[in-house]
Formats: sequence, C-alpha cells, structure tokens
Amino acid sequence: EIVMTQSPATLSVSPGERATLSCRASQSVSSNLAWYQQKPGQAPRLLIYGASTRATGIPARFSGSGSGTEFTLTISSLQSEDFAVYYCQQYNNWPPSTFGQGTRLEIK
Amino acid sequence: EVQLVESGGGLVQPGGSLRLSCAASGFTFSSYAMHWVRQAPGKGLEYVSAISSNGGSTYYANSVKGRFTISRDNSKNTLYLQMGSLRAEDMAVYYCARGQTGDGAFDYWGQGTLVTVSS
Repeated sequence: EIVMTQSPATLSVSPGERATLSCRASQSVSSNLAWYQQKPGQAPRLLIYGASTRATGIPARFSGSGSGTEFTLTISSLQSEDFAVYYCQQYNNWPPSTFGQGTRLEIK
Repeated sequence: EVQLVESGGGLVQPGGSLRLSCAASGFTFSSYAMHWVRQAPGKGLEYVSAISSNGGSTYYANSVKGRFTISRDNSKNTLYLQMGSLRAEDMAVYYCARGQTGDGAFDYWGQGTLVTVSS
C-alpha cells in the first residue's frame, strides 16, 4: 500500500500571505494525486485532481504541482475561508486509494 | 445538482451490525464507481471500500475485510455498506463519495453519517 506523508502537520500563516503544503508518496503515483479541503463539521471538498487541475468552482488562488512522489498545494493569498484541514490522496492503480494524515492551516 | 445523502448511522454495541445507505441524485448513478470513506473522531480520512459502476468489482480495506460488504442498487440509485462484527475502532463518520469519471478523485461527497460503537 502506498503511504502518503503530508508536511507540516500544522501551518500558521497570516491572511493575505502564501501557504505551501507538501505531500510525499512512498512510491511514484504519477500525476494521480488529489487535494481536498475539510472544514469542521463538513465533508471534504475536492480542490485539485490530476496533481494540478482545479476542480469545478475552485478559485484560481489554489494551485497544485508535482508528479511522481513529491507534490505541493499552494494557496497564493490566504482568505479567511481557507483556514481548514487539507488532505492529499493518491489514486494511482486504485484501489486502494490512500490519504495523507492532513495539514491543519491555521491563522497566525 | 449532484446530491449524496447518507443514512443508517447510530449507536450499536460491539459485535453488532448496521447497514448504511447513500441515496444519490442529480446524475446517472449507474455510470460511476462509488466509495466509502470514514473519519474517526478528531482523526484523518480512511479509505474503506469501493464498488465499480455495475457492482461487478469491489474492494475493501484490510481493516474491514470479511466484516463489511459494499453493494449498490442502480435501479434505486443507492449505495450500501453492510457492517458486521463492529468494533470500537469502527466508530467514525462514514462518507459516501463519487469517483470522478476518467480520474480516481472523489468529486462529490455526502454529509456523512455517524456510527458509534459502544456498550
């Protein structure tokens, strides 16, 4: 099973600044990588799929990059509604699909 | 509008059984693979089970294999998860999710249903 490792566990950033979240796979997943946002009491929401394609309705300040084993989610200018937990997910040769443990993005 | 609505969660004793349902609407249900993902209180997301669009292929995480059964009724636009021999570690919010066409990401999620395992 492919293990996904996210870093950091918690990221403190001020509104208006840039946030960079990382996700590493234990083996190559090509570009079969998604990012999700989850707010308290809500279901996850798909942000990015195919490592770099924004899902429908996702603002342009969210961008994804990477391939193979190293991936990054960048939020260019943080808005108040962006503070949440973010998960990466690999779906290369799924099932199974596996999730990272999450990065909590908090207000500095 | 795509909607996924889970139901069937609740309090069950260790060793007991429960069946979760996920009612789908707003899309051609029979064309999509479907998934169950769970989240224990205060924890991250755990992939539980998957079923192909026609129900012919299924997958289970090792943690639930032999105890859970995923199924679907395409005539009723409904996904199911039959859970048996429940343990304390199965306590979680269970989400159903749709597999995106041509890609393995999950583009729509239900609101979740809470399963509590306790005596």
